[in-house]
Amino acid sequence: GNSVTQMEGPVTLSEEAFLTINCTYTATGYPSLFWYVQYPGEGLQLLLKATKADDKGSNKGFEATYRKETTSFHLEKGSVQVSDSAVYFCALSDTDKLIFGTGTRLQVFP
Amino acid sequence: EAGVAQSPRYKIIEKRQSVAFWCNPISGHATLYWYQQILGQGPKLLIQFQNNGVVDDSQLPKDRFSAERLKGVDSTLKIQPAKLEDSAVYLCASSGQGYTEAFFGQGTRLTVV
Repeated sequence: GNSVTQMEGPVTLSEEAFLTINCTYTATGYPSLFWYVQYPGEGLQLLLKATKADDKGSNKGFEATYRKETTSFHLEKGSVQVSDSAVYFCALSDTDKLIFGTGTRLQVFP
Repeated sequence: EAGVAQSPRYKIIEKRQSVAFWCNPISGHATLYWYQQILGQGPKLLIQFQNNGVVDDSQLPKDRFSAERLKGVDSTLKIQPAKLEDSAVYLCASSGQGYTEAFFGQGTRLTVV
């Protein structure tokens, strides 16, 4: 079945460091791919998405490119801030439901 | 635009008791989802409604969990009787026509002791 695999956390970085969180997927067909973020005590918020191969999703300085050849959707940010500390979930949608990875906790220190 | 509303935010119950959660989706959204998020894991779909009909409940433990969406708007999720392993955050989400993304509520954190 369809599934998403994320790198385990926590990822610990200093402010202004470069961030990469790896995400790979297994799917039949051509799913849409998403990154959701969960700040402490809050629900999931959509960070960015890509609906077809080679699409790049971007938001708030974060980017991810839909790579069909490597079945990946890695999340990147050039310079993280303390306020980016949260749990990040990679997800795919097959038809109209989301399948999530296990999440990666990011901790950014000043 | 108002988001997905859930209540209560927190609930602590003893095992074998019953509990109910409420969700009000974004106005006009036909599809409503209930997800279970156990600590350290990603959300897992429990049930999906399209209007007031069930589309997918394959992951719902039907011996103890039930859900309804009367009139195709609000929804309630019930657990009876609760077990310790039901401790989790229960997330409600909704999406509109021609699904492009799901919008999530803040969730209900359930602790079963």
